[in-house]
Amino acid sequence: DAKTTQPTSMDCAEGRAANLPCNHSTISGNEYVYWYRQIHSQGPQYIIHGLKNNETNEMASLIITEDRKSSTLILPHATLRDTAVYYCIVYTGFQKLVFGTGTRLLVSP
Amino acid sequence: ETGVTQSPTHLIKTRGQQVTLRCSSQSGHNTVSWYQQALGQGPQFIFQYYREEENGRGNFPPRFSGLQFPNYSSELNVNALELDDSALYLCASSSGLRRETQYFGPGTRLLVL
Repeated sequence: DAKTTQPTSMDCAEGRAANLPCNHSTISGNEYVYWYRQIHSQGPQYIIHGLKNNETNEMASLIITEDRKSSTLILPHATLRDTAVYYCIVYTGFQKLVFGTGTRLLVSP
Repeated sequence: ETGVTQSPTHLIKTRGQQVTLRCSSQSGHNTVSWYQQALGQGPQFIFQYYREEENGRGNFPPRFSGLQFPNYSSELNVNALELDDSALYLCASSSGLRRETQYFGPGTRLLVL
């Protein structure tokens, strides 16, 4: 079973920041927080991951709370192409990714 | 750098038949994982191959089998197809066994009639 809880769906206006929350209250010390997204019928795309420090790359920022029980993925300026299902996954990096049902983000004009 | 590729993109089979799906891993990656994604669900782990050996398996029956070749490409074989095997089959590659990001291919859409 997935160890994360995410809202089923979210809406965002184009050009605004999209903030996608994730709860992972049972995360272990050796587990990282990974984010993937899946645009309709395509393979999941890796976005970003982190352990306990905030992380930023060209796609997004990841904010992890100090107790590591929750995190937020931030897309700073959402575009229509960011419409996708976003998966938050806790992962040791060993073997399998366990996907939940993710958050369906709809970016509208 | 070449990404993960999968073939074919789409496939239609009938119940009871056998199917082979193929995956070429990203350059420099020696680990391949396979996932099944039913409509409306998240991907489910089938198994993983590391240096031609199976390295973990999810809750799938033995009629799901795989191979990894010396060039680290991989095959997923499914025997005695059932209607519920209709799904998107995803392959992901990574560069090692420990804390390595998995990168996914575009998937193969299998329809079993």
